[in-house]
This record gives sequence, structure tokens and C-alpha cells, in this order.
Amino acid sequence: AQSVTQLDSQVPVFEEAPVELRCNYSSSVSVYLFWYVQYPNQGLQLLLKYLSGSTLVESINGFEAEFNKSQTSFHLRKPSVHISDTAEYFCAVSEGGSEKLVFGKGTKLTVNP
Amino acid sequence: DADVTQTPRNRITKTGKRIMLECSQTKGHDRMYWYRQDPGLGLRLIYYSFDVKDINKGEISDGYSVSRQAQAKFSLSLESAIPNQTALYFCATSDTGQGYYGYTFGSGTRLTVV
Repeated sequence: AQSVTQLDSQVPVFEEAPVELRCNYSSSVSVYLFWYVQYPNQGLQLLLKYLSGSTLVESINGFEAEFNKSQTSFHLRKPSVHISDTAEYFCAVSEGGSEKLVFGKGTKLTVNP
Repeated sequence: DADVTQTPRNRITKTGKRIMLECSQTKGHDRMYWYRQDPGLGLRLIYYSFDVKDINKGEISDGYSVSRQAQAKFSLSLESAIPNQTALYFCATSDTGQGYYGYTFGSGTRLTVV
């Protein structure tokens, strides 16, 4: 069965610093990978996804994630964070052919001034 | 109006009471899901439905039941609420064959069982 591990439960950083939120998954078949963001007191919003093709995917607000099949990872990065990026970030995976998402436990990103 | 609406937004109920959480959507999606979010545990799937006549258990269905009244409505019931069902509950939708493009989530229902 597929599973998702987010290695850091909390990541504090200063504004304009780079950040990496780590995500590893386990699956024996091909997968689709997602990052969702949850701002305080809100639902989850899709940030970016990998389905196929280029292993580097980008969001409209400067985040990017790279699918690494050999390391079964899908880490999320941003070169310079803003206060407004403070949120909880969830990595999720669905195995090819399944539309059920399995979520990681989440990483709380706190951007400090 | 939101694409996926959950009611109520907040609810406090007593142990042993029956409670229903409702979800309705205007996306026209045929697939609907109920997740539960607990601090430090992420989101866990309770039930999912791929169409009105198709209901499936998720990983933590014990103590819960669901009803898919129409394509647009998917309700979650706690027949006899207990304190460890205190959590944030999310409904989500996806389209046939398009689930790979991501789910649309509601804003959540915060349930407290005292």
C-alpha cells in the first residue's frame, strides 16, 4: 500500500530565505504526486502536481517540486519565502489508476520577519 | 458561492448524540470524499463515493456512515458521537478520470464532541 512521509512537522524560516519541505512516498507502481496548501482556518488548495512528463513542476506563486523516482521523493522548494507563505503543506500521492489520495501528516511552515 | 459547501462550519455536540455533516457541490463532479484531519496526523479517508450508487469505506470508517442523496450531496453521520471523533472534517470532490488533476475541498467542519 502506498504511504507518504513528510519528514518535518514544523519548519520555521525567516522571510526571503529559501525553504525545502521534504516528502517521500512508498509505492510499487506508478504514482501521481501532489502538494496541497492549507492557510489558517481554510480548506486545502492544490498547489502543484506531477502526473507525467517533466519531473520539475512549478506553481504560480514561486514554489516548485521535483519528482525523483529513484529516491521516491517529491520535495517542495521555494528560493525566497514571504510572510504570506505561512501555512501547512501536505504532500499526497495516488497510485496510477486510483483516484484516492493518501496524504502525509503535513508540514507547518512559519515565515518570520 | 463556494464550489464545495460544508455545513455546519462548527459544531459542538455531546457524547452519544447522532450528528450529520453535510456536503454539497456545484462542480458537477461525480466523485466525493470525506476526510478527517487531526493535528499531526494529516488527512485520513473516511468514506468515498464514485457515483450515487457506489459507496466505499476508507481507512477509518468505523463509527461513521454516509449517504449519497444525489450527485451533488454527500452526508457524513456519526451515529453515536464519542470524544475521539473531535476533529476537522473535510469533504472533497473530483471528476471522473480527472481526479489526477486534484481534488476540490470544502472549507471544513470543526466538530467537538464533549
